[in-house]
Amino acid sequence: GQSLEQPSEVTAVEGAIVQINCTYQTSGFYGLSWYQQHDGGAPTFLSYNALDGLEETGRFSSFLSRSDSYGYLLLQELQMKDSASYFCAVRDPGSGNTGKLIFGQGTTLQVKP
Amino acid sequence: DVKVTQSSRYLVKRTGEKVFLECVQDMDHENMFWYRQDPGLGLRLIYFSYDVKMKEKGDIPEGYSVSREKKERFSLILESASTNQTSMYLCASRPQSGELFFGEGSRLTVL
Repeated sequence: GQSLEQPSEVTAVEGAIVQINCTYQTSGFYGLSWYQQHDGGAPTFLSYNALDGLEETGRFSSFLSRSDSYGYLLLQELQMKDSASYFCAVRDPGSGNTGKLIFGQGTTLQVKP
Repeated sequence: DVKVTQSSRYLVKRTGEKVFLECVQDMDHENMFWYRQDPGLGLRLIYFSYDVKMKEKGDIPEGYSVSREKKERFSLILESASTNQTSMYLCASRPQSGELFFGEGSRLTVL
């Protein structure tokens, strides 16, 4: 089966850098996605890595190492509004073109002043 | 902008009632999904659909059914609601390639 592991909680201070790790076990691999969800809101897409390396989008970066079945989301210059839950997700290899995603349990990031 | 609209943000139902959760997307996406979200368990897939009238079971389909009569609409049905179905329900849609777009969620309480 498929499974993803990520820390349940992370705390950091405003202006700092935080890294949220995700390890996965899948029978096939089609890339690692990250979603952000503010309390009471809808999850929104942040990034997608299909190949090894770092993808940067503003203050957020995402990294993938397929050989280690590992990825992380890096948030720089933390702001209070970054307090949210962050989910990593992989595509179910048996789902064809539907893009069915399997999600990790989510990491709650608390940014303190 | 893609919009995924769920009919109700908050519902309170009694055990045994039939519950309908409606979801509509406005971007002509082929794929639609129903997830439930519970603390400590993340998002778990209930059912998904890749075309009109087509449906596939997800990881936790028991106690649920779905309907997709039109491309833009995907309904989740609880035939006889139970207290363990108290949860946040999230609908999402996705084109053939690209990310998921989620609705705001429907928080269901079953008493």
